[in-house]
Amino acid sequence: EVQLVESGGGLVQPGGSLRLSCTASGFTLSSYWMIWVRQAPGKGLEWVANIKQDGSEKYYVDSLRGRFTISRDNAKNSLYLQMNNLRGEDTAVYYCASGDHLGYWGQGTLVTVSS
Amino acid sequence: QAVVTQEPSLTVSPGGTVTLTCGSSTGAVTSGHYAYWFQQKPGQAPRTLIYETSNKHSWTPARFSGSLLGGKAALTLSGAQPEDEAEYYCLLCYSGPWVFGEGTKLTVL
Repeated sequence: EVQLVESGGGLVQPGGSLRLSCTASGFTLSSYWMIWVRQAPGKGLEWVANIKQDGSEKYYVDSLRGRFTISRDNAKNSLYLQMNNLRGEDTAVYYCASGDHLGYWGQGTLVTVSS
Repeated sequence: QAVVTQEPSLTVSPGGTVTLTCGSSTGAVTSGHYAYWFQQKPGQAPRTLIYETSNKHSWTPARFSGSLLGGKAALTLSGAQPEDEAEYYCLLCYSGPWVFGEGTKLTVL
């Protein structure tokens, strides 16, 4: 069975950091671009970042560049999102997606930034 | 970055047809934007319905189709079913950044 499972979310204080992980099973991540998408409570989807198969190209939404870093470890079949200097507006469910034409999505991990 | 626009809400009768559109602040949407369409129901992760403007995944019901229409990407639902009530998002893949639309809440009533 194909699965993407995000982890690493939780409650963090403003200014803190978190590292999200997305691990695949049932398929090999190294063949695909991967993306992170987030959804604030009651809001729409926001594309956060994506990364090429070999990690040689990375793109970020303008508002997050410099605070968030996307990376991947194909040997571990995993994708990561390092989030620094977190703010209240970063509170959201974070999804990873990948696979043939973004066919696979994780169930999301909730990040709450609050004091 | 570009702004991608969608109708905030639409209503369709069961069995009816409705078209959702996806426009770009940078101009006409073309095949080069590789438009995606996603369906999201409350409490669930998004599900990819359409990729590269008009291609369907194996799980995409035949009643959904994607196209370019009047300079926009379009998702047409023909023969709406109650289970199609959901939020629909388009995604345009610009050179580098990708941008989601704000979503269309589709009511089947």
